[in-house]
Amino acid sequence: DAGVIQSPRHEVTEMGQEVTLRCKPISGHDYLFWYRQTMMRGLELLIYFNNNVPIDDSGMPEDRFSAKMPNASFSTLKIQPSEPRDSAVYFCASSRQDSGNTIYFGEGSWLTVV
Amino acid sequence: GIQVEQSPPDLILQEGANSTLRCNFSDSVNNLQWFHQNPWGQLINLFYIPSGTKQNGRLSATTVATERYSLLYISSSQTTDSGVYFCAVPARGGSYIPTFGRGTSLIVHP
Repeated sequence: DAGVIQSPRHEVTEMGQEVTLRCKPISGHDYLFWYRQTMMRGLELLIYFNNNVPIDDSGMPEDRFSAKMPNASFSTLKIQPSEPRDSAVYFCASSRQDSGNTIYFGEGSWLTVV
Repeated sequence: GIQVEQSPPDLILQEGANSTLRCNFSDSVNNLQWFHQNPWGQLINLFYIPSGTKQNGRLSATTVATERYSLLYISSSQTTDSGVYFCAVPARGGSYIPTFGRGTSLIVHP
């Protein structure tokens, strides 16, 4: 089985630009998570979806952040406009509730905003 | 929400040594997972262990839910064990959405 697939792996962008991160969860998984990792704050949950529906977005830092899941095999996390403090590694993860809720992570998208 | 504390924050070992990593949590949980983040940033699920003991090769984990802690044992450590070890528990009671501790950073020297 293919794991969680994220793109791009690395992105360097200028402040003010729009950034779109993409994720393909593991087939058959009904939960999808977006996490952000920084040295200061560790791993933070930004938002999660259940069956494509956003359930809790309380971790989304500001209105500049938005996430969508138009179907079971695709999700995006968008930052518009981006700021230097958004620089971080963004992880997508997925799980299936009836398999013990074991969570599987993608390899991450390393974002640098200059 | 449930608080997670991991100890020690940093650990340096010589190859072949054994170690124990600890995860304390502030409330009852029905879900606990251990992860390893390797030096390249990949996060790998090691154990799903809400209670009891599990073993996988040189790694084993024990969770004592009634006393609100979990232990991860690494025996005969190897340089490839280096990285950060995280434990994750539900963010709040009744949920299973993982919230992560700050991790234990492990360096294994050859």
